[in-house]
Amino acid sequence: QVQLQESGPGLVKPSGTLSLTCAVSGGSISSSNWWSWVRQPPGKGLEWIGEIYHSGSTNYNPSLKSRVTISVDKSKNQFSLKLSSVTAADTAVYYCASVTEGAFDIWGQGTMVTVSS
Amino acid sequence: SYELTQPPSVSVSPGQTARITCSGDALPKQYAYWYQQKPGQAPVLVIYKDSERPSGIPERFSGSSSGTTVTLTISGVQAEDEADYYCQSADSSGTPNYVFGTGTKVTVL
Repeated sequence: QVQLQESGPGLVKPSGTLSLTCAVSGGSISSSNWWSWVRQPPGKGLEWIGEIYHSGSTNYNPSLKSRVTISVDKSKNQFSLKLSSVTAADTAVYYCASVTEGAFDIWGQGTMVTVSS
Repeated sequence: SYELTQPPSVSVSPGQTARITCSGDALPKQYAYWYQQKPGQAPVLVIYKDSERPSGIPERFSGSSSGTTVTLTISGVQAEDEADYYCQSADSSGTPNYVFGTGTKVTVL
């Protein structure tokens, strides 16, 4: 059974870059799934950030595209998120997830990232 | 930008039926998916491709589609079903652009 685990700093300064990694265990990142990032501000709904395939192909949310980079490291069986020029509005729980035929079928536990000086 | 609209809240007594709607212009052309999220937990997929149920999800969860509206139905609601529910789909731009609904809080009275 595939499991996902997010990791990264819980505090990022305004105007800085948020960096998170999602480790994939129990399966290969080179499977037929896409791998996504989703975030949820405190008390609010879910927002899709973007996704990557093991080949390196990516799709991003148009509203975040200018600030987002998602990459994959097949040797470490993990994928990563970078979000630049962050503000307080980027404070959220960040989830990584597996996407199979359009469904976010497996989720990590989530990691809280706060943007504050 | 594309939006999926859900009612903010639904209240239901134990044993009764809860219905949660999700409206979006592209739903006639795109599949819908439903997630349950309990406080402090990650979302869990409960319905995929409009009406299919993943293994391990109770039969009381079902989904349907009609035009620009999809519906999640919870039959014989139990206290453990109290949670936030989100629909999810994609816009019709041709490139994957996933969108989540506004979310519905289901309260079991």
